[in-house]
Amino acid sequence: NAGVMQNPRHLVRRRGQEARLRCSPMKGHSHVYWYRQLPEEGLKFMVYLQKENIIDESGMPKERFSAEFPKEGPSILRIQQVVRGDSAAYFCASSPSAALNSPLHFGNGTRLTVT
Amino acid sequence: RKEVEQDPGPFNVPEGATVAFNCTYSNSASQSFFWYRQDCRKEPKLLMSVYSSGNEDGRFTAQLNRASQYISLLIRDSKLSDSATYLCAVNPGGGADGLTFGKGTHLIIQP
Repeated sequence: NAGVMQNPRHLVRRRGQEARLRCSPMKGHSHVYWYRQLPEEGLKFMVYLQKENIIDESGMPKERFSAEFPKEGPSILRIQQVVRGDSAAYFCASSPSAALNSPLHFGNGTRLTVT
Repeated sequence: RKEVEQDPGPFNVPEGATVAFNCTYSNSASQSFFWYRQDCRKEPKLLMSVYSSGNEDGRFTAQLNRASQYISLLIRDSKLSDSATYLCAVNPGGGADGLTFGKGTHLIIQP
C-alpha cells in the first residue's frame, strides 16, 4: 500500500521560472492538502482540495500560486515566476475523509530551491 | 487560521529520563488533536491521536486539557532515537478543514 507520493524530491529553478509540484494521495484517499515549511519554521497550510474542487485556499498567496486536483492524475501545485522567497519544503498530505478525527498522512516533500 | 503554540526548545534530556511538553491552542472550538514527529529534512509522521480521556501508546502518553486549551505529550524511558521535532496539530473545527500545526518542539536525547 503505497503512501503519499510526491515528485520531484528536489527542484531547482531560477528566478522567474515556473515550478510544478506533483502529489499522488494514498490509495483510497480523496482529500489532499498542501503545506509549506520554511527553514526553522512550522508547517503552514496552503490549500485543501478534493477531486476537481478547491475546498479551502485560504493559505495560498494571492498571486503566482495555483493548485488543482483533476479527476484523473495527481494533484499539482504550480508556482509561476518563482522568487527566492519561494524556496521551501512543500509537503502534500492526504486523508480518506474530511472527518474531524481523520489524521493527515504526508508525502516526503518537494524541496524547492530558487536561485 | 487560529494559532497553535509550542515551546521550540531544544529540550536536552539524558537517555532514560522522562520528558513532557505542552502545546496550547487558541480556538476553543477545536475538535481533534494529534502529535506528529518530524526528523531533520523529513516529512512529519503521525505519532498519535489525542483523545479526550487521554491515551497511551507504549512509552508515549498524550493528554488533552480542554479547560486550559492545551495538549501534552509525555515520553518515558527516552531513547536516543526519540530525538526529533515534535509537532502538535489541531483541527480547528468550525468548518475549517485540515490541520493547523505548531512550529514544533525540538527534543535531543543525550547518551
